[in-house]
Amino acid sequence: ETGVTQTPRHLVMGMTNKKSLKCEQHLGHNAMYWYKQSAKKPLELMFVYNFKEQTENNSVPSRFSPECPNSSHLFLHLHTLQPEDSALYLCASSLVTSGGVGDEQFFGPGTRLTVL
Amino acid sequence: AQSVTQLGSHVSVSEGALVLLRCNYSSSVPPYLFWYVQYPNQGLQLLLKYTTGATLVKGINGFEAEFKKSETSFHLTKPSAHMSDAAEYFCAAPPAGGSYIPTFGRGTSLIVHP
Repeated sequence: ETGVTQTPRHLVMGMTNKKSLKCEQHLGHNAMYWYKQSAKKPLELMFVYNFKEQTENNSVPSRFSPECPNSSHLFLHLHTLQPEDSALYLCASSLVTSGGVGDEQFFGPGTRLTVL
Repeated sequence: AQSVTQLGSHVSVSEGALVLLRCNYSSSVPPYLFWYVQYPNQGLQLLLKYTTGATLVKGINGFEAEFKKSETSFHLTKPSAHMSDAAEYFCAAPPAGGSYIPTFGRGTSLIVHP
């Protein structure tokens, strides 16, 4: 596959479940991102990794736990979520060169999460 | 401070009419600007980007945007709307300070009527 892939595409979970979202990019990029997109709200940046190191945690609750084992893979581990966490979770990647400004992001199709 | 502002959460046009989606940016941001489009049940994809050089930027699907420094604007246009253009459009720019992490506008939903 090419581009940025995300699995699963849809996920329904109870508040006591533990699940993980997976993102994989085949573009040779070094930065990866998690975003949350809720209805009628702006796109929310959650986490950023650059060369496997977390560089941004945008005050995300600890029930969301990211993991970046290498530059191609990014996970979002979920546990004891709340109904308000229901949203589309988007993964993105970009090539960060010297300075890095100006590099566009490539997005996956997202995981539609519903928390019951 | 907000890097980009998109005016109008919804824009409605008739098929064949001009599309104009507005984006203004903070004058302190570096001159790198992006427009992304998100079709239903999909992720965002790049429509076009401005870095340096020509101020009129052409993108995919017949869209273009003009960088106007004097107005701090980067409005997106298309001469003739098609039903398939119905989507959410996002303007983005790096924040002041040179971070590689872009700031996105709140998005504008384009509705195209037959």
